[in-house]
Amino acid sequence: GNSVTQMEGPVTLSEEAFLTINCTYTATGYPSLFWYVQYPGEGLQLLLKATKADDKGSNKGFEATYRKETTSFHLEKGSVQVSDSAVYFCALRTNTGNQFYFGTGTSLTVIP
Amino acid sequence: SAVISQKPSRDICQRGTSLTIQCQVDSQVTMMFWYRQQPGQSLTLIATANQGSEATYESGFVIDKFPISRPNLTFSTLTVSNMSPEDSSIYLCSVGETENTEAFFGQGTRLTVV
Repeated sequence: GNSVTQMEGPVTLSEEAFLTINCTYTATGYPSLFWYVQYPGEGLQLLLKATKADDKGSNKGFEATYRKETTSFHLEKGSVQVSDSAVYFCALRTNTGNQFYFGTGTSLTVIP
Repeated sequence: SAVISQKPSRDICQRGTSLTIQCQVDSQVTMMFWYRQQPGQSLTLIATANQGSEATYESGFVIDKFPISRPNLTFSTLTVSNMSPEDSSIYLCSVGETENTEAFFGQGTRLTVV
């Protein structure tokens, strides 16, 4: 079946620290992969995406590379800011259907 | 991208009553999805709302409890029927077109059942 496994949180980092949130997936076919961010009291916003193997998605200093050989899509940022505090969701969408599968979310808190 | 307006943004309801959540999209879309996000949890797909046909429900969700309407390509409603405190959750409307595109989300409806 299809599923997403995401690093458990919560994660607390100091400002300017390096961030990695691990995400691995199981899917049939060739999925597209996404990272969404949810700020407190808001809906989900797309952070970045990759639609095929070896693609790198990037946005606002965040990056993630679609690794088919390790079925991973880890989220990284070189220097986090307080404003990055949010919950991050890894997700996949299969190419055989229209359903999205979400990870459990990782809460990030960045302290000054 | 699609802009999605969801109403109400929050509500507190008595157990045994029903609440209808509205989702309006600023463009015509084929697929609309309804998700539930329980406190501290990830998103769980309730159903896919298809225009012109009945909604497709995921395992564990039934039409009697969560009736869905999709009268046109820009609008859908989800009703949470005969509510209990276990239905307290955030309900999210989402749209997504082709296989490689992202999903867009409404702001969510935060429902508390007392």
